[in-house]
Amino acid sequence: DTGVSQNPRHKITKRGQNVTFRCDPISEHNRLYWYRQTLGQGPEFLTYFQNEAQLEKSRLLSDRFSAERPKGSFSTLEIQRTEQGDSAMYLCASTRGLDTEAFFGQGTRLTVV
Amino acid sequence: GESVGLHLPTLSVQEGDNSIINCAYSNSASDYFIWYKQESGKGPQFIIDIRSNMDKRQGQRVTVLLNKTVKHLSLQIAATQPGDSAVYFCAEKDTGRRALTFGSGTRLQVQP
Repeated sequence: DTGVSQNPRHKITKRGQNVTFRCDPISEHNRLYWYRQTLGQGPEFLTYFQNEAQLEKSRLLSDRFSAERPKGSFSTLEIQRTEQGDSAMYLCASTRGLDTEAFFGQGTRLTVV
Repeated sequence: GESVGLHLPTLSVQEGDNSIINCAYSNSASDYFIWYKQESGKGPQFIIDIRSNMDKRQGQRVTVLLNKTVKHLSLQIAATQPGDSAVYFCAEKDTGRRALTFGSGTRLQVQP
């Protein structure tokens, strides 16, 4: 499978715990995006990497959220001290260029109980 | 703020009919538009895109129309099939942004 891969697919955690998600983009894509999607809504942009550089962060990305892409390949998104409002689908997408189609992974569904 | 929205939250069609899903956008600087299909529990799947220098683009069974004058985008699906049942999102981007802005989606239900 040469698409965008995300792990885990599902995560249930207790409020206050930390969680980390992983995204493996399409190998030749140097641009990587994280989005969050709640039920019935379109994905909302969280952050963007070009190679290993995090070039943009949405105001949705609170201090409890941190993302990395250390070698310009896979990326991780960590949420510290999770809250029930963090429950959502976290989607990763990658693109080859700035104005080319973004390919999405299957997402990680987070449930905070 | 700038936003992308959809006129109809749910569209129900008969199998074999043509479907038209509409989208309005407000950002006059938007220059790139994409339609995505999302099935339950899955990530958005790219369908077709169009740039602002075009007003029509065709793919396999799908056509996207762009009317920049009224800031309107539509997705036409020919001979709709049960497998087309999903939520459809339009998304837009302008040259000043790196990320896509999505609308809230339209659910397409195909009746056999």
